[in-house]
Amino acid sequence: GAVVSQHPSRVICKSGTSVKIECRSLDFQATTMFWYRQFPKKSLMLMATSNEGSKATYEQGVEKDKFLINHASLTLSTLTVTSAHPEDSSFYICSAASGRGETQYFGPGTRLLVL
Amino acid sequence: DQQVKQNSPSLSVQEGRISILNCDYTNSMFDYFLWYKKYPAEGPTFLISISSIKDKNEDGRFTVFLNKSAKHLSLHIVPSQPGDSAVYFCAASGLATGNQFYFGTGTSLTVIP
Repeated sequence: GAVVSQHPSRVICKSGTSVKIECRSLDFQATTMFWYRQFPKKSLMLMATSNEGSKATYEQGVEKDKFLINHASLTLSTLTVTSAHPEDSSFYICSAASGRGETQYFGPGTRLLVL
Repeated sequence: DQQVKQNSPSLSVQEGRISILNCDYTNSMFDYFLWYKKYPAEGPTFLISISSIKDKNEDGRFTVFLNKSAKHLSLHIVPSQPGDSAVYFCAASGLATGNQFYFGTGTSLTVIP
């Protein structure tokens, strides 16, 4: 079965620094990748959708300059949290699909703690 | 390899009847299980959870059953309503696995009026 990995699994950083989170599809080509953020009560908020080779589509209310998404290849998407602040502390999950409407495979998540 | 599996990609049920969504897992270290509901173009919404010390948790029309020996959990929706039509994901987590989430691939439920 398809596997999606995320790296790192957890990261602690100082306020003002930038953090990069990688999402990789290990055995299939992911033309579409999604980035989610988990909020209290465990629901996942869709932050953005990225298609390989094109700019990400951000959901309303998500700052594109703060959450930089790059989908440079069919197996890798990165989320960079720029100038992180304590309120950015959260659990970030990616998912990957071979195309729009195709099955989404979720990564295990990255826990970010900004001090 | 997928540690959490939902082997039925889709399910259709008549309104008013019971919907049963199944989920299997392979890692015995998981001790917390969740069900999410997802509408198109939205993020998954938390529905119900169960910890490994229980075998049943009920919340209104939704009940989750956990069979640890079989490494199987199921979500029952009774009675099913058209608004329940969505994709349902199960997920597993565990202190011993770093509290990371492992999701299944989802089951698309259609409730027919």
